[in-house]
Amino acid sequence: IAGITQAPTSQILAAGRRMTLRCTQDMRHNAMYWYRQDLGLGLRLIHYSNTAGTTGKGEVPDGYSVSRANTDDFPLTLASAVPSQTSVYFCASSEEGPGRAADTQYFGPGTRLTVL
Amino acid sequence: GQNIDQPTEMTATEGAIVQINCTYQTSGFNGLFWYQQHAGEAPTFLSYNVLDGLEEKGRFSSFLSRSKGYSYLLLKELQMKDSASYLCAVLQSNYQLIWGAGTKLIIKP
Repeated sequence: IAGITQAPTSQILAAGRRMTLRCTQDMRHNAMYWYRQDLGLGLRLIHYSNTAGTTGKGEVPDGYSVSRANTDDFPLTLASAVPSQTSVYFCASSEEGPGRAADTQYFGPGTRLTVL
Repeated sequence: GQNIDQPTEMTATEGAIVQINCTYQTSGFNGLFWYQQHAGEAPTFLSYNVLDGLEEKGRFSSFLSRSKGYSYLLLKELQMKDSASYLCAVLQSNYQLIWGAGTKLIIKP
């Protein structure tokens, strides 16, 4: 593994189903992030984690939950998927996290999710 | 309110120079990032500016004017592989990034 991996690559899901998107990084970065990217809109932050054991809400957290049990993994769960959650989901990580202004975020390859 | 504006799409010719502008109104300012995103791929980091002025990195340069809420990305000697979307993002006072919708750059031979 090099960098950030996400799984699955793509998924079609029936509305109302529960789904967990997986994200793993091997760079020992402290901070991790989940974004969604929709056509015509900028990336929007869903949830973030500054360090293992802590999480915070971003701009669009409703309908999503996260956990950060260890440094490497940051799964995103949709408890009951709705069609408006159809999007491309990107996981990202950064070395230091908030408070360090020049802290570059590195992105995983993304998960394309379709909710029908 | 918070807002980042970029042109939706630009077209340029291989070998030429193109400037992609970004204007922003955000809750505080802790720096501005430019990312490149090829279709179907992840965004990748290009540059970071926190002070006014021009930062040059090979064929790519990024400029910032904090007083005007303005930045641009300058791409020189354009190559076909530069066809991509270019994303402007501002780090706000809460250290969360707010992203523009991106500028799709089309390079023609």
